[in-house]
Amino acid sequence: DARVTQTPRHKVTEMGQEVTMRCQPILGHNTVFWYRQTMMQGLELLAYFRNRAPLDDSGMPKDRFSAEMPDATLATLKIQPSEPRDSAVYFCASVGRGQGLYEQFFGPGTRLTVL
Amino acid sequence: AQTVTQSQPEMSVQEAETVTLSCTYDTSESDYYLFWYKQPPSRQMILVIRQEAYKQQNATENRFSVNFQKAAKSFSLKISDSQLGDAAMYFCAYRSNLRYGGSQGNLIFGKGTKLSVKP
Repeated sequence: DARVTQTPRHKVTEMGQEVTMRCQPILGHNTVFWYRQTMMQGLELLAYFRNRAPLDDSGMPKDRFSAEMPDATLATLKIQPSEPRDSAVYFCASVGRGQGLYEQFFGPGTRLTVL
Repeated sequence: AQTVTQSQPEMSVQEAETVTLSCTYDTSESDYYLFWYKQPPSRQMILVIRQEAYKQQNATENRFSVNFQKAAKSFSLKISDSQLGDAAMYFCAYRSNLRYGGSQGNLIFGKGTKLSVKP
């Protein structure tokens, strides 16, 4: 049963600390999205990779957020330094080559709380 | 830019009854895809149903069906024979057709409708 995995599932940290979230897309999927979910803004796109290349990260605050895909099996989202307003659920989703017309498969999300 | 609007923050339905969740969207594109996702308390995003804009026939998946009105830019979800397990947040989402370029393929979501099912 192929699925997207994300770690950690929950993270509580203090303001100013570095946070790294990881995503393992479904094997063979070549497109990865990072979304953030908050009560106020809902679900919004942060960054997007295809074949490991970043295609758009306009949704991310550039001064503190960074997204990378060091290899085809790992995508990372880093916040440094973290702030209370970064508290949210962060989702990773992947799409397969040729399947791009349809379903994005979502991971279970990382719930981040910044105190 | 495309936008998706869900005007019902919360809805309630009696078990075994039918409920319709509303969604409208705004786009200048002629070819695109529309989706309904379900998010239960576990937070997992689950695809419920999808509709290609070029298809006139409304999509159906078991107890779930849509009413797609392209000219009105409306995409409602009907849940028949509601079950307790249907209780969740439901998100309407839009995606451009990648074939025509100029698109990232990301989903644009509405703010969601919280559905409660009463036993």
